[in-house]
Amino acid sequence: AQSVTQLDSQVPVFEEAPVELRCNYSSSVSVYLFWYVQYPNQGLQLLLKYLSGSTLVKGINGFEAEFNKSQTSFHLRKPSVHISDTAEYFCAVSDTGRRALTFGSGTRLQVQP
Amino acid sequence: DAMVIQNPRYQVTQFGKPVTLSCSQTLNHNVMYWYQQKSSQAPKLLFHYYDKDFNNEADTPDNFQSRRPNTSFCFLDIRSPGLGDAAMYLCATSASGQSYNEQFFGPGTRLTVL
Repeated sequence: AQSVTQLDSQVPVFEEAPVELRCNYSSSVSVYLFWYVQYPNQGLQLLLKYLSGSTLVKGINGFEAEFNKSQTSFHLRKPSVHISDTAEYFCAVSDTGRRALTFGSGTRLQVQP
Repeated sequence: DAMVIQNPRYQVTQFGKPVTLSCSQTLNHNVMYWYQQKSSQAPKLLFHYYDKDFNNEADTPDNFQSRRPNTSFCFLDIRSPGLGDAAMYLCATSASGQSYNEQFFGPGTRLTVL
């Protein structure tokens, strides 16, 4: 069985400051990792994904994430946030067998002026 | 643009009155999913179709049913909605030809039960 832990339920940050949203996972097999963003009353939009290869993955809107196999982490970062980044961010994992995604509980990023 | 469409975006129903939510896709993906997302929670998978094969999650209540008449459309039927079924319902699709499971989500339907 897989699980995903997002330790921070809310992260307040000032505009133009850097941010890191933490994600840890557990799985007994190789996994694929995803970060999704959800704006209010909207569906989920893929920010980035790690499939294989380079552990640093760049996504849309200036976000990037680093896969760390030894620490089973996939933290999301952005060097300078904007007000428009205020949203809910979900980390998710899937393995090569089961077709479902396992989501973390989400982190609400609140960017303040 | 290829996309996942959900109608309606907002649905209000009465306690116990059957309701149907719809999802359509222009991505030609053969896998379609229905998720339930309650306030401030992660999406929870209800079931998915792999082509015409229906796969129900073990903890999905019998009150929830689904139909997939063709590749493009998928419906979620709630036979007797309770107050606890008020939530955002998300439809997603993926292509089985990929080794990884990247899912594409629709905008969701927010269901209110009165």
